[in-house]
This record gives sequence, structure tokens and C-alpha cells, in this order.
Amino acid sequence: GQQLNQSPQSMFIQEGEDVSMNCTSSSIFNTWLWYKQDPGEGPVLLIALYKAGELTSNGRLTAQFGITRKDSFLNISASIPSDVGIYFCAGHPINSGGSNYKLTFGKGTLLTVNP
Amino acid sequence: NAGVMQNPRHLVRRRGQEARLRCSPMKGHSHVYWYRQLPEEGLKFMVYLQKENIIDESGMPKERFSAEFPKEGPSILRIQQVVRGDSAAYFCASSLDENSPLHFGNGTRLTVT
Repeated sequence: GQQLNQSPQSMFIQEGEDVSMNCTSSSIFNTWLWYKQDPGEGPVLLIALYKAGELTSNGRLTAQFGITRKDSFLNISASIPSDVGIYFCAGHPINSGGSNYKLTFGKGTLLTVNP
Repeated sequence: NAGVMQNPRHLVRRRGQEARLRCSPMKGHSHVYWYRQLPEEGLKFMVYLQKENIIDESGMPKERFSAEFPKEGPSILRIQQVVRGDSAAYFCASSLDENSPLHFGNGTRLTVT
């Protein structure tokens, strides 16, 4: 199956710092999505990217769809304690046969924010 | 405006027992998906259903696992004769159509002892 390499695996930062995490694949993706999962909860969609080069913001979050279509990054500016959680990248590989529901997920980045 | 509802939140079963996980999609959504998350892993697709139809079960183990989405009532993921390796969080998602974003429930955490 498709592999998404997400890095870093975990991050420990101070409140107020900016955060950057990324996701890469050896395959081309049609869509990149970023989800956040709080402990004991399901993933919540943060940002969806549909075109190569696309840069999209959602409040303090910014994500970009890499021009090679094989990577994406997520930035969080001025982190706050409630940003704590696991951030997953996910996407639809180009050879998924048009199955837009069959998401491939990375293993996640665990973010800890120290107040 | 209720989201995707899953129950139970936690389920403990002994090896060999059956596990039944239920999912009610968001109001107005008729497309349901089941994903499994092993510890420290990302979610992996299992099955996609519409009312009374299994559309894609390519991610579901061929044995012991089954899923349904009846005309009335919630979608059910059924695991027969559970083994320790079935311990995981099982997430249900729903969408308006197969091209719309997936909305996930809070999952059922299955522990097999």
C-alpha cells in the first residue's frame, strides 16, 4: 500500500512558538488533508488541499500542497496549549482509482505545548 | 446538529467472543466508512457502505469481519471470534457523497483480553 512519511514523530514546544510539520510520499497524491486528533476523540479535518502549489490558511494554521504533488506541510503559528494533540496528514494517491473515500494516513505528529 | 455517533466508546471482549460496533452517520449523510487505528499508527480504511450496499470492502479482513448498513438503523461493524490483534480503535466516518469530506466519529476502543 501507499506510504506517507510524516515528520517529526513528536514535538515539544513552548507556548507562543511556531510549529512546522510535513508529510512526504514516493507517490503522487491528488489531495492532501490535515487532521487533528485529541486524546480519546476522532480526527477533525483542519485543512483540505486540492491543487499542486495551493496554500490555504485556517486561523493560525497554514498548509501547502507541494508542487511535486508528493509532499505537504502544516504550520501552526503562535501555538497555544489547546493545540496539543496528534496531527495527521492524509491524502488520495493518484492511483486510488478515483476512490476519494479511501484515505491514506500518515502515522501522525504528537504535539506537546508547554504553557 | 449531532455529528457521527459511535457506541460503545469502549468495549472489552475476551478472545473468541463477538464484538458489535455501531455507527449513526451525520444527519443527511448516506455514505458510511469504517477505519481502524492501531496504537501509534494512522487510520487504515476498512469498508465503505451506502444504505443496504457494501461498495468497497477491500480493506477489511476476509474472515471474521463483516459490516452492514441497513435501511433503518445504524451501521454495524461485527467482529466474530475476536483475537488480541483485533484490539484497536475503530472509527466510523460519514459523508454527503463519496467526493465530500469525511466526518469522523469519536471511535470505539476495542480491547481483547
